[in-house]
Amino acid sequence: EVQLVESGGNLVQPGGSLRLSCAASGFTFASSSMTWVRQAPGKGLEWVANIRYDGNEKYYVDSVKGRFTISKDDARNSLFLQMNSLRVEDTAVYYCARLCCSGANWQSTFEYWGQGTLVTVSP
Amino acid sequence: DIQLTQSPSFLSASVGDRVTITCRASQGIRSLLVWYQQEPGKAPKLLIDAASTLQSGVPSRFSGSGSGTEFTLTISSLQPEDFATYYCQQRSSYPVTFGQGTRLEIK
Repeated sequence: EVQLVESGGNLVQPGGSLRLSCAASGFTFASSSMTWVRQAPGKGLEWVANIRYDGNEKYYVDSVKGRFTISKDDARNSLFLQMNSLRVEDTAVYYCARLCCSGANWQSTFEYWGQGTLVTVSP
Repeated sequence: DIQLTQSPSFLSASVGDRVTITCRASQGIRSLLVWYQQEPGKAPKLLIDAASTLQSGVPSRFSGSGSGTEFTLTISSLQPEDFATYYCQQRSSYPVTFGQGTRLEIK
């Protein structure tokens, strides 16, 4: 069974940093591309970043470029999101998800989702 | 960036009704359109990929169609568990974008 469990969400002041983690199990993480998607309270979904299965391609929404870094550690079956220079507007539930499909056939269809972790940026 | 506009944003319907949600893209995206369902307090769930490919385990009352700039999600006979928010998402180009969502409520 595919499982994705996010952690690391917290209350942080504007300008602060936070590192989110996503522990994966039930599938071959090393051949899986991954994503972070966020949802501000009461709002819709916003894609944040993708990472290719081998870590050699990363994509970001403009609003987080230069501030957020997506990474994966295949030995630990974990996905990360390093968030620096946080802003009030980064407040959201952050979901990790697995992209379809394995290896070189990857595409931005978000097949399996974790339950999310809440990041609150407030003075 | 490709903008996706869903209509309606809010829909009130009864169990057994047939409902259709539309998603319009600001430019052509071929069939690279995905639909998700999100229940309150839960993570989104993948329903349909490539505009019309139903995911394994998704009931056959759900269907999707369209290509280019106009897409639809149809639920043929609403069940109580279908009352949720639905999002379309394009995977044609970066940045990946979502529609604003359609909230489906019980009349």
